[in-house]
Parts: sequence; C-alpha cells; structure tokens
Amino acid sequence: ILNVEQSPQSLHVQEGDSTNFTCSFPSSNFYALHWYRWETAKSPEALFVMTLNGDEKKKGRISATLNTKEGYSYLYIKGSQPEDSATYLCALRGSSNTGKLIFGQGTTLQVKP
Amino acid sequence: DVKVTQSSRYLVKRTGEKVFLECVQDMDHENMFWYRQDPGLGLRLIYFSYDVKMKEKGDIPEGYSVSREKKERFSLILESASTNQTSMYLCASKEHRGHQPQHFGDGTRLSIL
Repeated sequence: ILNVEQSPQSLHVQEGDSTNFTCSFPSSNFYALHWYRWETAKSPEALFVMTLNGDEKKKGRISATLNTKEGYSYLYIKGSQPEDSATYLCALRGSSNTGKLIFGQGTTLQVKP
Repeated sequence: DVKVTQSSRYLVKRTGEKVFLECVQDMDHENMFWYRQDPGLGLRLIYFSYDVKMKEKGDIPEGYSVSREKKERFSLILESASTNQTSMYLCASKEHRGHQPQHFGDGTRLSIL
C-alpha cells in the first residue's frame, strides 16, 4: 500500500499569519496529486489537482507547489482568515485507470481571530 | 455543480444488524467510491466501482459489501454490523476521464451500539 504523509498533524495560527504544510509521497509511483479542504459539518471540497513536476496552482490566497522527483507538495495559505479553519487533505493518484486515491492523514488548521 | 447525496447524516444501529448506506450522484459519473474516516487515520478506501455492476476492493473491505445496479447509485452494506465499524462514512464520485477531482457527499456518521 502506498503511503502518503502529511505534516504537521495540526496547526494553530493567528488571523493574518501565513502558513504552509507538507504532503510527502513515494516519487516512484506518481500520476497526480489532489488537495482537498474539509470544513467541519461539510463535505470535502477539491482545491487542486496537480500533475506536472514544478506545477504551481493558485486559488485566491491558497497556492500549492509540486515536486514529483523528490515526492512532496506544499500548500500555502497567505494571510490566514478564520474561515480557512479546516482539515486539509492531500491524496496521491498512483494509477491512471480507476481514479483511486490514497489519502494522507490530513493537517487540521485552526485560525484564531 | 455535482451533487453527491448520502441518505442519512446520522445513523444508529445495533450490533449484528445489516446496515445499508446509500449514495446517489447526479452527474453521470462512472467512478464511485466509499471511504471511512477515523481520527488520525485519514480517509481509507473501502470499495470502489468504475461502472455499473463493477466493483473492486479498496484497502479495508472486510465486513463490507457494495452494490451498483444503476450508474447513479452506489450502496455500501455492512453485512453484520460490529462496534468497530462505528465511523464517518463518505461517498464520492468522479468522471472517469482526465485529471478530475472526486466529489464528496456530506458523510454519514454511523454508530453501532
């Protein structure tokens, strides 16, 4: 079974701080990397799907980078707001046939006003 | 927008009961998935289906079965519920082609007493 690791497990920041977290995966078995945001009492929401080494994607104050050769992706949040409080999940797609994803444990972010 | 609907938000059942969790998606997606989420473990894949009547085991299929008689509906069945199946269950669907994200339902929090 492929292993996807996320760090840190949880993070508490003040409103306005910028923050980042890491997703590590085996570089030898890569097809795509997904990022999702999961707010309490809601369904996980897709942020990014990244496929190419060196990919950089942005959505508002959130951006992500991808390094497939060394097997990691970073998610950055600029100027955190309380509404950014959520669990952020990364998931590796290692097969092109079925869309099956291997999820990391998630990073839970709490932004204090 | 894709809509993935899970039949119950909260469910309480007794040990030994046969339990059905239903999931319906409205976007004609080929791929559908069932996950469970437990603290510290992230999302773990139970079963997935890439077409009507097709199914494949995920990482933790023991104690579960699935049914996909129609394209829009994917059912998860707990054959004889046990207390270690108390968990949050999430359904997701995805278009088969391309680098598309998975779309999730709101989840069913199942308690087995």
